[in-house]
Amino acid sequence: GDSVTQMEGPVTLSEEACLTINCTYTATGYPSLFWYVQYPGEGLQLLLKATKADDKGSNKGFEATYRKETTSFHLEKGSVQVSDSAVYFCALSDRGSQGNLIFGKGTKLSVKP
Amino acid sequence: DVKVTQSSRYLVKRTGEKVFLECVQDMDHENMFWYRQDPGLGLRLIYFSYDVKMKEKGDIPEGYSVSREKKERFSLILESASTNQTSMYLCASRSTGGYTFGSGTRLTVV
Repeated sequence: GDSVTQMEGPVTLSEEACLTINCTYTATGYPSLFWYVQYPGEGLQLLLKATKADDKGSNKGFEATYRKETTSFHLEKGSVQVSDSAVYFCALSDRGSQGNLIFGKGTKLSVKP
Repeated sequence: DVKVTQSSRYLVKRTGEKVFLECVQDMDHENMFWYRQDPGLGLRLIYFSYDVKMKEKGDIPEGYSVSREKKERFSLILESASTNQTSMYLCASRSTGGYTFGSGTRLTVV
């Protein structure tokens, strides 16, 4: 079945460092891909998404590009802030926003001042 | 904005108790979901519902049941709580615009 694999954490960075969280997927069709973020004590929020190959999702300085050839959707940010400390989840859906989500295991990011 | 409200942030229950976790959404969404979140395992789907009185098993339904008597409310029921059900439980609803998650209920079974 479909699955998502993301790099294990925790990841600890200093403020203004570059961030990459790797995410790869296995799917039989052409899924939509998502990054969700969970700040401490809160539920999940959609960070960005991409619905087809070569699409780039972006939000709050984060970016991820849907790479069909490498089945990847890596999350990147050029300069992280303390406020970016959270757990990040990669997810896929086989029917866009209407499909059930399949999540990776999550990556905890801590950013130190 | 859509709100998904989970009635309790923290719960402590005893082994063998029947436990109800409540979730309410305020935007008339048809689809609602219950996940559990565990460190190193991510989010796993327990049950979902696509309409009133309709329910579908997710990936880990064992030990759980659900109730959807009204469109806005989706309840997760632990028939006889066990210590391995200690976890964070997240409710979500879905519209054409995507998913909205509640803040979660951290359940501890002692």
